[in-house]
Amino acid sequence: GNSVTQMEGPVTLSEEAFLTINCTYTATGYPSLFWYVQYPGEGLQLLLKATKADDKGSNKGFEATYRKETTSFHLEKGSVQVSDSAVYFCALQMDSSYKLIFGSGTRLLVRP
Amino acid sequence: EPEVTQTPSHQVTQMGQEVILRCVPISNHLYFYWYRQILGQKVEFLVSFYNNEISEKSEIFDDQFSVERPDGSNFTLKIRSTKLEDSAMYFCASSQKGSGGYEQYFGPGTRLTVT
Repeated sequence: GNSVTQMEGPVTLSEEAFLTINCTYTATGYPSLFWYVQYPGEGLQLLLKATKADDKGSNKGFEATYRKETTSFHLEKGSVQVSDSAVYFCALQMDSSYKLIFGSGTRLLVRP
Repeated sequence: EPEVTQTPSHQVTQMGQEVILRCVPISNHLYFYWYRQILGQKVEFLVSFYNNEISEKSEIFDDQFSVERPDGSNFTLKIRSTKLEDSAMYFCASSQKGSGGYEQYFGPGTRLTVT
């Protein structure tokens, strides 16, 4: 079946470090891909998305590129801040479906 | 900015009891969803709802679960006879359109504890 695999956390970085959170997917077809973020005590918020191969989603300094060849959608940020500390979820949605299929989430902790 | 709200934030119930989790989706959204996250596990889809009927459901969403839009603003999830394994965080979400990569807006969740 369709699924998403994320790197295990927690990821601990110092402020201004470079961030990569890996996400790969398995899908029968070409899904839309998403990154959601969950700050403590809040719901999931869409961070960025890409709906077709080679699309790059970007928001708040975060980027991810939809790579069909490697079935990946890795999240990157050039310089993280303490306020980026949160749990990040990679997700996919097939065209024929309403549901989001989530990865297990990766906790990011940024230290001053 | 419009947001999805959920009540209560935390619900404690005894095994076998019925619970109703409530959600107010964003007002101009047409598609509504419930997801759950058991502690330490993935966020899992339960059900989607459009035009007053279920449009998709997962195998988790068995006969003990039901959803309803009782009026023009609320969207509810009922669990008829709770089990210990129903303990989880339940998230409501809504979107303007269903498939095709449209953003689903999530509420803050209701933590359900079954004792």
